[in-house]
Amino acid sequence: DAGVTQSPTHLIKTRGQQVTLRCSPKSGHDTVSWYQQALGQGPQFIFQYYEEEERQRGNFPDRFSGHQFPNYSSELNVNALLLGDSALYLCASSLGQGDEQFFGPGTRLTVL
Amino acid sequence: KQEVTQIPAALSVPEGENLVLNCSFTDSAIYNLQWFRQDPGKGLTSLLLIQSSQREQTSGRLNASLDKSSGRSTLYIAASQPGDSATYLCAVNGGSQGNLIFGKGTKLSVKP
Repeated sequence: DAGVTQSPTHLIKTRGQQVTLRCSPKSGHDTVSWYQQALGQGPQFIFQYYEEEERQRGNFPDRFSGHQFPNYSSELNVNALLLGDSALYLCASSLGQGDEQFFGPGTRLTVL
Repeated sequence: KQEVTQIPAALSVPEGENLVLNCSFTDSAIYNLQWFRQDPGKGLTSLLLIQSSQREQTSGRLNASLDKSSGRSTLYIAASQPGDSATYLCAVNGGSQGNLIFGKGTKLSVKP
C-alpha cells in the first residue's frame, strides 16, 4: 500500500500565477481533504471531496478550488497567487467523513 | 467555534525521561481526536486515534487519553529517545463537519 501520495514535492510560482496540486488517496479511501499549513502553525482545513463533490469548505476564498476524479484522486487549484499563499499543502484521505485521516508528504509552494 | 490549544509550545528533555503533552479543546461535541507527529518540512504521521466513546489508546511507548467532559487530551511518551524529536499535533474531528481542527503543536526536542 503506497499510502497517500502528492505531487509535486516543491513548487515555485510568482504572484498572479495559477497552480495545480495533485493527490492520490490511500488504497480503499474515498474521501479526500486538503489543508494549508503556514510556517509554525497547525494545518488549516481548505475543503473536502467525496463522490466527486465538494462536501465541506473551510474559510478560504474562491481562488481555491478543487476536483475529485472517479478514481478518488484529487486536485487543488489556486488562482491569482498571493505571497501569503506560500505554505505546505497537505492532502489527507479517509474512509468516510469521521474516520481516521492519513496524510501525504505535502507540497511546498513558494510564491515570489 | 471549536478551538484547540496545545501546551507547552516547545519542550526539551534529556533522553530517557517520561513526558506528557497537553491538548485542550473548547467544544466537547467531538467525533474523535487524533495525535500526529510531524518532522520538519514533512507531512503528518498519525500516531493515535481516540474515538469519542474511548478513554485512552496505546501504541508502543505512546499512550493518549481523552476526557471529553473537560475538553482535554494528553499524549504520554515513555522513555523518550532522540528519535522522538519532532512536532506533535493534536486535532479534533467534529464529525458533522468532517474536517480536522488542529492545535499549533508542541515542538519536542529529546537530547542524548
